[in-house]
Amino acid sequence: DAGITQSPRHKVTETGTPVTLRCHQTENHRYMYWYRQDPGHGLRLIHYSYGVKDTDKGEVSDGYSVSRSKTEDFLLTLESATSSQTSVYFCASIQGSSTGELFFGEGSRLTVL
Amino acid sequence: KQEVTQIPAALSVPEGENLVLNCSFTDSAIYNLQWFRQDPGKGLTSLLLIQSSQREQTSGRLNASLDKSSGRSTLYIAASQPGDSATYLCAVTLLGGNNRLAFGKGNQVVVIP
Repeated sequence: DAGITQSPRHKVTETGTPVTLRCHQTENHRYMYWYRQDPGHGLRLIHYSYGVKDTDKGEVSDGYSVSRSKTEDFLLTLESATSSQTSVYFCASIQGSSTGELFFGEGSRLTVL
Repeated sequence: KQEVTQIPAALSVPEGENLVLNCSFTDSAIYNLQWFRQDPGKGLTSLLLIQSSQREQTSGRLNASLDKSSGRSTLYIAASQPGDSATYLCAVTLLGGNNRLAFGKGNQVVVIP
């Protein structure tokens, strides 16, 4: 399995505070993704990266920003957390081919009070 | 927009029965289709990946078929076991989309001993 770790795994924060979630992969994968998973909505793409400093928006990007300064790290920032951002966040990565398997981290559970 | 549907959302089967899970997608322009397994509180694990040029893939008790023209895939799990209880998600990789995937909402499976 690909080595993908997320931190923190659990976080409780208050509305209006900034939050950063970190994804670290050791597989030298080119593509990385942040998803959120919510009951009734399934997995939705927030942002993705197709290389160092190359990022783009997914379907639910409002209120989120990302950065990728190194191949192995992909950061997701909630600029000012809201209760609607309470969710489980998953990071994923894939080898540089459209034919490869997608590998997921274990998830970060975020609660915004 | 690619829509991926998995019905039913939840099902229960007695141990030993064969499981049949269905996935449909609206746009046949895909690179591949993957089936994932998700255990409670965990990330997703890729089970099988079928390239768009393939009709099926097999791994142990698992077999997945793909009919791209009709927008359907089926995951068969032979002789189900209680350890097969999990949520199964299918996802298609979009053409020209930087390896972005569109996910179904999953089938939650319980295998009754």
